[in-house]
Amino acid sequence: AQSVTQLDSHVSVSEGTPVLLRCNYSSSYSPSLFWYVQHPNKGLQLLLKYTSAATLVKGINGFEAEFKKSETSFHLTKPSAHMSDAAEYFCVVSDPGGGNKLTFGTGTQLKVEL
Amino acid sequence: GAGVSQSPSNKVTEKGKDVELRCDPISGHTALYWYRQSLGQGLEFLIYFQGNSAPDKSGLPSDRFSAERTGGSVSTLTIQRTQQEDSAVYLCASRSATGGNYGYTFGSGTRLTVV
Repeated sequence: AQSVTQLDSHVSVSEGTPVLLRCNYSSSYSPSLFWYVQHPNKGLQLLLKYTSAATLVKGINGFEAEFKKSETSFHLTKPSAHMSDAAEYFCVVSDPGGGNKLTFGTGTQLKVEL
Repeated sequence: GAGVSQSPSNKVTEKGKDVELRCDPISGHTALYWYRQSLGQGLEFLIYFQGNSAPDKSGLPSDRFSAERTGGSVSTLTIQRTQQEDSAVYLCASRSATGGNYGYTFGSGTRLTVV
């Protein structure tokens, strides 16, 4: 069985300050991990993915995430938040033994203030 | 098409009625998934189709829910005798056979409201 836990349901940062969205995973397999972003009334957009290559993964819009097996974590970071980053972010794990079904975390709502 | 297309984008239905939600995946994508996003919740897996294999229905919440995929392309999710707790956004995603864990593309979803 696989699961992800997003440790914060809401995160609020000031524009220009760093962003940290936390995610811990549980998987019986060597996991594939993703971060998706969902802007209001928009579809899900893939930010980045980890698939057992480099442990530091760079994504779109300046986001990156580091896979830490010892901590079973895959936290999402960005050095400097922009107003347009305000959205909901989902940490996701894929089950290669089950048709590559995606298991989503419950999401973190990121608020960016002036 | 260029992306995954879902219709309708919004659906309001009366409790007890049946609804059909449609998903048109990216051409050539053999895998198709349905997810449900309820208010304040993450995405919940419903059903998965891969080529001509029997679908994985393990996520369907009740026997009122069913889905089919005709000709390996378009899929229809049917909810019979809708209940208010069925209100949610229903998302479809497709993936190519060679995509592995890459290349999931989501549609914009159908927002279902049961009144």
